[in-house]
Amino acid sequence: GQQLNQSPQSMFIQEGEDVSMNCTSSSIFNTWLWYKQEPGEGPVLLIALYKAGELTSNGRLTAQFGITRKDSFLNISASIPSDVGIYFCAAILQTGANNLFFGTGTRLTVIP
Amino acid sequence: EAGVTQSPTHLIKTRGQQVTLRCSPISGHTSVYWYQQALGLGLQFLLWYDEGEERNRGNFPPRFSGRQFPNYSSELNVNALELEDSALYLCASSYWVGTNTGELFFGEGSRLTVL
Repeated sequence: GQQLNQSPQSMFIQEGEDVSMNCTSSSIFNTWLWYKQEPGEGPVLLIALYKAGELTSNGRLTAQFGITRKDSFLNISASIPSDVGIYFCAAILQTGANNLFFGTGTRLTVIP
Repeated sequence: EAGVTQSPTHLIKTRGQQVTLRCSPISGHTSVYWYQQALGLGLQFLLWYDEGEERNRGNFPPRFSGRQFPNYSSELNVNALELEDSALYLCASSYWVGTNTGELFFGEGSRLTVL
């Protein structure tokens, strides 16, 4: 199946620092999404991107849908302790399809 | 409004046994998805049910099966458990209108340990 390569696998940063993570694939996708999973909970949608080149913000989070439609990145500015969790990229191959393909996740640790 | 609920939250089985996991979607959602989250492997798509029918399944053997009931709740069954089935099984729901926006609402998962 389609594989989403997410990097980095883990990050340890100081509170207040900015964070950047990305997701790449050899396949073209029509929708890119970013989810966050906190301990003991299921993933929660952060940002959804539906158009190549689209740049979308949600508070301190900014994500972009790559022009080639094969990648996406997520930036978190001025990190805070509650940003801790696992961030997953996800993508949908075809409009109207149901399958979300997930990346392997980036585990973020914020040191106060 | 209640979110997606799953049961049991934790369970331990031995190889060869069978397990049934249950999921109740958010009220009004007709689609239920099952994902397996094994350590270090992200979320792997298992099954998608909508309006009581299996719409799609991921690359898993037939011993992974399920169903969706008229009230849209769902069960995931795994037969002949193997050690590598140990994982967090996540259920998600959405309102399927023919265009998937990608927003799935996940439950907290059922953590299965196979010994």
